[in-house]
Amino acid sequence: DSGVTQTPKHLITATGQRVTLRCSPRSGDLSVYWYQQSLDQGLQFLIQYYNGEERAKGNILERFSAQQFPDLHSELNLSSLELGDSALYFCASSVVEGATTDTQYFGPGTRLTVL
Amino acid sequence: DQQVKQNSPSLSVQEGRISILNCDYTNSMFDYFLWYKKYPAEGPTFLISISSIKDKNEDGRFTVFLNKSAKHLSLHIVPSQPGDSAVYFCAARISGSARQLTFGSGTQLTVLP
Repeated sequence: DSGVTQTPKHLITATGQRVTLRCSPRSGDLSVYWYQQSLDQGLQFLIQYYNGEERAKGNILERFSAQQFPDLHSELNLSSLELGDSALYFCASSVVEGATTDTQYFGPGTRLTVL
Repeated sequence: DQQVKQNSPSLSVQEGRISILNCDYTNSMFDYFLWYKKYPAEGPTFLISISSIKDKNEDGRFTVFLNKSAKHLSLHIVPSQPGDSAVYFCAARISGSARQLTFGSGTQLTVLP
């Protein structure tokens, strides 16, 4: 158990809909990262937050957005869903941004299926 | 443009033998490398890491080797156990304010009893 929690575990929805994925980082971790894994591929970085502020953006679509709340939990919002958005979405957290060797610990993921 | 490559999608090894998983990268700015193990229906689990100032890091049965001139790293598992069967991801990072990881596509390791 990494200490990172994600809900829901599974999500099935229809095209055009909007969903929200939730992540709670490990206790004490200030950074949250979102990754997408499609069809047995490697994980693709989407976005990073540090202590409530957006820090970096990767290959995140404009239909997707995220935020990190004062209690440090984060939500990833996916809207106008398309079939190709079906994937595993992972959240990771790390302890201190300044440490050069900090490690990201991953949650169990949310499997999104768009029908 | 794949900056981190794992060219072997799968590897089978006999129990008790050495497993060697390989990873190549193209971005010379990467200075920290990690290996993660992933079981089906679970998130990636951190295994071992190495900073670019080192060429080897060991933790129990797991050793990671880094060859910066060749932009290559490898994970050695000795001895391999059936419970090691999983997908192994290599990841790399550039130190700085953004700490996102760039992942390879993974190698499925199967350890045969």
